Amino acid sequence: DAGITQSPRHKVTETGTPVTLRCHQTENHRYMYWYRQDPGHGLRLIHYSYGVKDTDKGEVSDGYSVSRSKTEDFLLTLESATSSQTSVYFCAIRGTGHPLIRGYTFGSGTRLTVV
Amino acid sequence: QQQVKQSPQSLIVQKGGISIINCAYENTAFDYFPWYQQFPGKGPALLIAIRPDVSEKKEGRFTISFNKSAKQFSLHIMDSQPGDSATYFCAASGPAAGNKLTFGGGTRVLVKP
Repeated sequence: DAGITQSPRHKVTETGTPVTLRCHQTENHRYMYWYRQDPGHGLRLIHYSYGVKDTDKGEVSDGYSVSRSKTEDFLLTLESATSSQTSVYFCAIRGTGHPLIRGYTFGSGTRLTVV
Repeated sequence: QQQVKQSPQSLIVQKGGISIINCAYENTAFDYFPWYQQFPGKGPALLIAIRPDVSEKKEGRFTISFNKSAKQFSLHIMDSQPGDSATYFCAASGPAAGNKLTFGGGTRVLVKP
């Protein structure tokens, strides 16, 4: 998907365990985002990054942390997974400039199940 | 709170018919309104987008209608085809919100042959 890769694609984990999802881009884009998708809620922003080591919270950030040590990688960590974090997680990237010119590109998603 | 409200949640249309999805937003600072199309197992993909200085934008069979005073915008899919069966999301963003996209809840469209 246009230079953005998410891993793993599927993961089942137990409640209370830490989980890290990875987003890797080859576009050298500045902005990276983590969304979660749940039925009826659309996509909700968890965290985003506007540069290396520059991150900020989205609307549903509780229970999640992120890190961006390189332009190409944006990691999402669930410190202690709960069943409410069962979801499909999408990473997106965007270059600089207005979104009309530089729209978001989404990865293929990670389906996470917490049992 | 949901800043972008989308309806209906699901829609069934016959092949050749018109699919209409509506969205309403609250934040008057939004200045970019895209629609995304998502097929099962895939990420959302940008379909068409509009800025509030125009009332309509058409790309092929897809048209966005925008009503700034009512804070509403809609997607029309003309001559709907079975291949259009997907989930559609409206979204909005603006510079005051860091150009972060806020999404509607999604509409699952099924086009029957």
